[in-house]
Amino acid sequence: GDSVTQMEGPVTLSEEAFLTINCTYTATGYPSLFWYVQYPGEGLQLLLKATKADDKGSNKGFEATYRKETTSFHLEKGSVQVSDSAVYFCAESGSGGSNYKLTFGKGTLLTVNP
Amino acid sequence: EADIYQTPRYLVIGTGKKITLECSQTMGHDKMYWYQQDPGMELHLIHYSYGVNSTEKGDLSSESTVSRIRTEHFPLTLESARPSHTSQYLCASSDSWGNQPQHFGDGTRLSIL
Repeated sequence: GDSVTQMEGPVTLSEEAFLTINCTYTATGYPSLFWYVQYPGEGLQLLLKATKADDKGSNKGFEATYRKETTSFHLEKGSVQVSDSAVYFCAESGSGGSNYKLTFGKGTLLTVNP
Repeated sequence: EADIYQTPRYLVIGTGKKITLECSQTMGHDKMYWYQQDPGMELHLIHYSYGVNSTEKGDLSSESTVSRIRTEHFPLTLESARPSHTSQYLCASSDSWGNQPQHFGDGTRLSIL
């Protein structure tokens, strides 16, 4: 079945550092791709999405580009803040009959220190 | 903002009790899902529903059961709780296939003593 591999954490950065969290997927065709964020004690919130190759999703200073050639959707932010400390999940929707559900990566815990 | 609600937020209960975790959404979404999130953060799909009177088991085997009698309501039931059921349970819903994201509730953290 489909799988999503994302960079294992935990990741610890200082405030204003550059962030990259790598994500690759195995689904064939053209799945939709998502990044979700989970703050402590909460459910997952959609951070950004991309639905076709070369699309760039962006939100709150975070960006990710749908790279079909490398089957990747890496998350980046130029200058992280303490408030960005959370768990980040990459997910893909599947491109065939199984796209009723999302396949999630295992999550990356990000801690940003002041 | 997504309007999907889970109750209770926290539940500590003894072994052998029957438990129902509630999930409701006000967005009219056809698709609903239950995930179990382990302490290592990984999410596991345990149940999903295409619509009223439709339920399916997910990727991870679970002793829980679900029902979908109304579009907005997707409760999860454990007939006899055990310590191995201790986990966080997340409910989600989505409007259609593929391109539309899933919207999540804040979860129920369940502890079985």
